[in-house]
Amino acid sequence: DAGITQSPRHKVTETGTPVTLRCHQTENHRYMYWYRQDPGHGLRLIHYSYGVKDTDKGEVSDGYSVSRSKTEDFLLTLESATSSQTSVYFCAIGGGYQETQYFGPGTRLLVL
Amino acid sequence: GQSLEQPSEVTAVEGAIVQINCTYQTSGFYGLSWYQQHDGGAPTFLSYNGLDGLEETGRFSSFLSRSDSYGYLLLQELQMKDSASYFCAVIAGAGSYQLTFGKGTKLSVIP
Repeated sequence: DAGITQSPRHKVTETGTPVTLRCHQTENHRYMYWYRQDPGHGLRLIHYSYGVKDTDKGEVSDGYSVSRSKTEDFLLTLESATSSQTSVYFCAIGGGYQETQYFGPGTRLLVL
Repeated sequence: GQSLEQPSEVTAVEGAIVQINCTYQTSGFYGLSWYQQHDGGAPTFLSYNGLDGLEETGRFSSFLSRSDSYGYLLLQELQMKDSASYFCAVIAGAGSYQLTFGKGTKLSVIP
């Protein structure tokens, strides 16, 4: 298994509070991604990174920011959490047109 | 942008064969991937098709027709453990390393 961990694995927070999710990899891979998964929507890309300090927006980036100061860590921040951001968040590494993506175990976030 | 269509649910009998179809609309298409996800788990890679034709990996095969913007995942000798959601995903766009996923097909294998 690809060495990808996510923390926390579960979080309950209140509307309006900031939340940061962490993705850590031990594979030294250049590309990292954050997805959210909701019933009926599949996996949707929030942000991705193609190197340290190099990030770009995905399909559903509003309300989220990311940072990557080290190859191994990719942080996702909800500046002011809303109930619509209740979801399961997956981090992934890999990519490229002939490469697979490997997913972390996911973080279940509940915003009350 | 990209869009993908796949059936939302499929039910099949243990030991049988099932085919999950995926049609897509995209520009700058590179290839089609398939992922499996068990309830409560993370998606895991199953197969990739960059060229037309059939790719076989054990009990699983995947097919792509670029001219028809169509692919399918074929699961043979179904086992109960194959009950899961299956997602097709396109890789598209010049220089892109992004995957765009379909909404998934929930496969239920019954005895």
